Amino acid sequence: EAGVAQSPRYKIIEKRQSVAFWCNPISGHATLYWYQQILGQGPKLLIQFQNNGVVDDSQLPKDRFSAERLKGVDSTLKIQPAKLEDSAVYLCASSLGAISGNTIYFGEGSWLTVV
Amino acid sequence: AQSVTQLGSHVSVSEGALVLLRCNYSSSVPPYLFWYVQYPNQGLQLLLKYTTGATLVKGINGFEAEFKKSETSFHLTKPSAHMSDAAEYFCAVSEGETGRRALTFGSGTRLQVQP
Repeated sequence: EAGVAQSPRYKIIEKRQSVAFWCNPISGHATLYWYQQILGQGPKLLIQFQNNGVVDDSQLPKDRFSAERLKGVDSTLKIQPAKLEDSAVYLCASSLGAISGNTIYFGEGSWLTVV
Repeated sequence: AQSVTQLGSHVSVSEGALVLLRCNYSSSVPPYLFWYVQYPNQGLQLLLKYTTGATLVKGINGFEAEFKKSETSFHLTKPSAHMSDAAEYFCAVSEGETGRRALTFGSGTRLQVQP
């Protein structure tokens, strides 16, 4: 079974530039998550989708971050304009769906460095 | 609201020694609890989870954890450490069947295994 795919794996940009990350969840997984993991910290939820609808985006900095999941499959996370503090690993994850006990599977992450 | 506290950002053990990684949680509803492992430059992999039923949960690679409601703890143990266990370990909580499904993570514990 293919896992959660993310690209690009690594990105270096200057502050105030924009960047986009792409995620393809495990086939059939209705729930998709984007987490931000700053070095030395645990992952923090940015946004959760159920199919193509947003379930929770309370911790997404909406002035600069946006995410979409068109057609309820792939998702993109965009940052514009980037700040130095956005340097982090952006983890995409997916699960079968609505039940809390379902295992959440993580991709390998997209590493962002803002200089 | 929910939160996770992992005591000790770094733990060092000798190969063959007992591994004990501590996790305490706070949740306003009955929680589901998880341990994930992260190897360098990789995503998070589920070690084990507690949802309902037996409070002693066995996972992959010889790890186990016990849910203790009275102590609000979910400590991770392994009887005998192996060099390959060196990694970062994250405890996480979700709000159970009726609550918020996304995971809230602790700040992680880096496990070093000395030969």
